[in-house]
Amino acid sequence: AQKVTQAQTEISVVEKEDVTLDCVYETRDTTYYLFWYKQPPSGELVFLIRRNSFDEQNEISGRYSWNFQKSTSSFNFTITASQVVDSAVYFCALSDGAYKLSFGAGTTVTVRA
Amino acid sequence: NAGVTQTPKFQVLKTGQSMTLQCAQDMNHEYMSWYRQDPGMGLRLIHYSVGAGITDQGEVPNGYNVSRSTTEDFPLRLLSAAPSQTSVYFCASSPLRSGDNTGELFFGEGSRLTVL
Repeated sequence: AQKVTQAQTEISVVEKEDVTLDCVYETRDTTYYLFWYKQPPSGELVFLIRRNSFDEQNEISGRYSWNFQKSTSSFNFTITASQVVDSAVYFCALSDGAYKLSFGAGTTVTVRA
Repeated sequence: NAGVTQTPKFQVLKTGQSMTLQCAQDMNHEYMSWYRQDPGMGLRLIHYSVGAGITDQGEVPNGYNVSRSTTEDFPLRLLSAAPSQTSVYFCASSPLRSGDNTGELFFGEGSRLTVL
């Protein structure tokens, strides 16, 4: 069975602070995919990143960066120099490649001006 | 581009009533699925389909039916609504690429259902 744990329920920061969202996953599969989605207050789900289990390179996209460590089964997400527009619920998700995604409970990020 | 379209966006039902949430996609995606989102629980898979005529159960299928008569449409039916089905429902689709499937989902905007 697959499981995704996002231990942080809510994080509140002041604008320009960095924020790191933790994601720990469990799977028996050797091939799997990890995702992050953003859900802004408007409610839609926005795809942020996909990483497969064979690619442990960290990735940076603007102010967003992701740290994938198979040794600790973690796929953490950092927002650098946070902005008010980053306020959202962030979901980590896991797929075995068979299309079904298992989502974590989500972390609500509030960035205060 | 329409993408994934869900209707209605909001619905209030009384316990015991039935209704259908509609989902349509215009991207010719083979895979379609329904999730429900509840506070503190993330998104949980209800039913999914890998093509017309093929459906299967997800994590929380009880109380819901689906059918897939065309590639484009994947309606979700509540047979006898219960207050526990109060939730936000998301339809999602994905292309199936043999040998390179990545599982990325394209989501609709969601349907908020309240059962009184």
